[in-house]
Amino acid sequence: QQPVQSPQAVILREGEDAVINCSSSKALYSVHWYRQKHGEAPVFLMILLKGGEQKGHEKISASFNEKKQQSSLYLTASQLSYSGTYFCGTDNQAGTALIFGKGTTLSVSS
Amino acid sequence: DGGITQSPKYLFRKEGQNVTLSCEQNLNHDAMYWYRQDPGQGLRLIYYSQIVNDFQKGDIAEGYSVSREKKESFPLTVTSAQKNPTAFYLCASKADSSSYEQYFGPGTRLTVT
Repeated sequence: QQPVQSPQAVILREGEDAVINCSSSKALYSVHWYRQKHGEAPVFLMILLKGGEQKGHEKISASFNEKKQQSSLYLTASQLSYSGTYFCGTDNQAGTALIFGKGTTLSVSS
Repeated sequence: DGGITQSPKYLFRKEGQNVTLSCEQNLNHDAMYWYRQDPGQGLRLIYYSQIVNDFQKGDIAEGYSVSREKKESFPLTVTSAQKNPTAFYLCASKADSSSYEQYFGPGTRLTVT
C-alpha cells in the first residue's frame, strides 16, 4: 500500500522552510527519500532506518517516528535548487522492494 | 562512466503491438527495478529482480513481462494486454540486497495510440 505524502505541493520563497510528511498504515523498516527535478531521473537523498540510523548525501534532515509509522523531511533555508518533486519510499522488511508515495512538489522562487 | 542507460528516450507504438523497453547498467549491480510514472501517481513498481534469472512482480505487473538473462540487462515488454500503456517508464538498479540507494536511468516515455 502506497505511503501517503503531505502536502501535495509547496510554494516557497528562497530562504523559507518546508516540511514534507510521509505516513504508512504498515509497520516500517526504513524510509527512503528521493528528489526528482523536472525532466530528470529521481536522485537518492537519504534513508532513515528503524532504530534511528540515518544516512544521506545532502544537508537535508529528516525524522522517523517508528511508532507512528511516519517520516518528515525538513528543508531549511530553501534554495532554488531545492525545487522538484520529493518522493518517500517505504519498506517493512530489509531487502524488500520500496513502495513510493505520490510525491510532493516543491517550488522555490527568488 | 558508470550508469544506467534506457533507450529510446521517446517511443511511439500503435495499440495492439507489444513493445520492449531497454535498460542496461554497467554498475555491476545485482538488483534492478522497473517503475511506471504517471502524473500525480508517484513511482509504481512493475517488476524487480534481485539476481540474474529471477524476478518478482510489483504492484502493477499485469500486462508487462520482463527477463533477466544477464546481470547488466533488464528489458521490459509492454504487451497488448496492458490497458493503458502510455506513461513514463523508469529503470533503476541497486548494488545488492544490503545497500540502500537506487540509481535511476533517464527514463523512456512511451506513447501508444
